[in-house]
Amino acid sequence: AQSVTQLGSHVSVSEGALVLLRCNYSSSVPPYLFWYVQYPNQGLQLLLKYTTGATLVKGINGFEAEFKKSETSFHLTKPSAHMSDAAEYFCAVTTTGTASKLTFGTGTRLQVTL
Amino acid sequence: GAGVSQSPRYKVAKRGQDVALRCDPISGHVSLFWYQQALGQGPEFLTYFQNEAQLDKSGLPSDRFFAERPEGSVSTLKIQRTQQEDSAVYLCASTGQRDLYEQYFGPGTRLTVT
Repeated sequence: AQSVTQLGSHVSVSEGALVLLRCNYSSSVPPYLFWYVQYPNQGLQLLLKYTTGATLVKGINGFEAEFKKSETSFHLTKPSAHMSDAAEYFCAVTTTGTASKLTFGTGTRLQVTL
Repeated sequence: GAGVSQSPRYKVAKRGQDVALRCDPISGHVSLFWYQQALGQGPEFLTYFQNEAQLDKSGLPSDRFFAERPEGSVSTLKIQRTQQEDSAVYLCASTGQRDLYEQYFGPGTRLTVT
């Protein structure tokens, strides 16, 4: 079985500041890891994913994440926050043996202030 | 191209009523997933189809929940004798054969049971 922990249900940053959203996972087999963004009253949009290969993954809207096996982490970062980044962010995990069904964390709400 | 669509977007049901939620996946997508997202939580897996076959229904919370995808395209999630704890957003996602691990989500159906 796998699980995801997102530290911090709410994160507030100033516009232009670094965004860091934390995600730690638990999996007994090599994980596939994802970050999704959810805007109000909308579905989930994939930001980026790690399956195999390079551990630093770049996604849409300037976001990136690094898979660190030794730390069981997949933190999401963006060098400079924009007002439009305000949303709910979900980290998720799956493995090859689970038919790609996703296990999600509880989410982190990102607030961007002027 | 058209994304995943869901209908209705909002549904209010009185306790004890039956409801049916529809999902139209992206054309040609083989796999289809249903998730339940309670308020303030991450989505939780309900069930999974590959074409018309329901391969995993381990997440369905009770036998009041039933899902079908008879022709391998449109899917319906049915909830019988709705209870207040069924109030949630129900998300549908589909994946194509080119990338089994990239799920495309619909906007969801918000079900409120009164």
